[in-house]
Amino acid sequence: DAGVIQSPRHEVTEMGQEVTLRCKPISGHDYLFWYRQTMMRGLELLIYFNNNVPIDDSGMPEDRFSAKMPNASFSTLKIQPSEPRDSAVYFCASSFRVGGQGAYGQYFGPGTRLTVT
Amino acid sequence: QKEVEQNSGPLSVPEGAIASLNCTYSDRVSQSFFWYRQYSGKSPELIMSIYSNGDKEDGRFTAQLNKASQYVSLLIRDSQPSDSATYLCAVNGRGGDKIIFGKGTRLHILP
Repeated sequence: DAGVIQSPRHEVTEMGQEVTLRCKPISGHDYLFWYRQTMMRGLELLIYFNNNVPIDDSGMPEDRFSAKMPNASFSTLKIQPSEPRDSAVYFCASSFRVGGQGAYGQYFGPGTRLTVT
Repeated sequence: QKEVEQNSGPLSVPEGAIASLNCTYSDRVSQSFFWYRQYSGKSPELIMSIYSNGDKEDGRFTAQLNKASQYVSLLIRDSQPSDSATYLCAVNGRGGDKIIFGKGTRLHILP
């Protein structure tokens, strides 16, 4: 398996522009997670899906952020409009059976480094 | 109280020695615990999972869990320079599906 695939790997954009990050999870995984990582705040969970349905979006910082998962093999995270404080590395991760005893860990994609100027 | 706490480090350990990384968590109902390794500029990589009290060994790595003390640790035996990385502790949160990450401990193995 190719693992979790994310694109683009790097994105530089100007404040106010729309940014779309993409993720393809590992085939067969029914959970998909979006994280943001900064030096100050560490790894923050933004939103996660189970069987393509958003389960918890309480980590989404504000209405400028939105995420979709139209099918089991694709998800997007969109920021509109982008701001300099959105600069971070955004990771997508996938897994199955994440809850309870014997839960599996998550497998991370390579991340998208976003810089908003 | 932070949900998952780790000492940020850096923790410096001589090559060949045992590196000991510690993590505490606040949610008593947590059931699954994980250690991830993250090299600079790379994504987190799952290296260990543990679910029951006691020790779990995998090669040079041993994870230890004490649910009564809400404490999980990772031991790395015969530390190598390639073990230099940030180690993230993760715990499945209340509700079961969410994994809560600590901020990580930077480990530096001295050649």
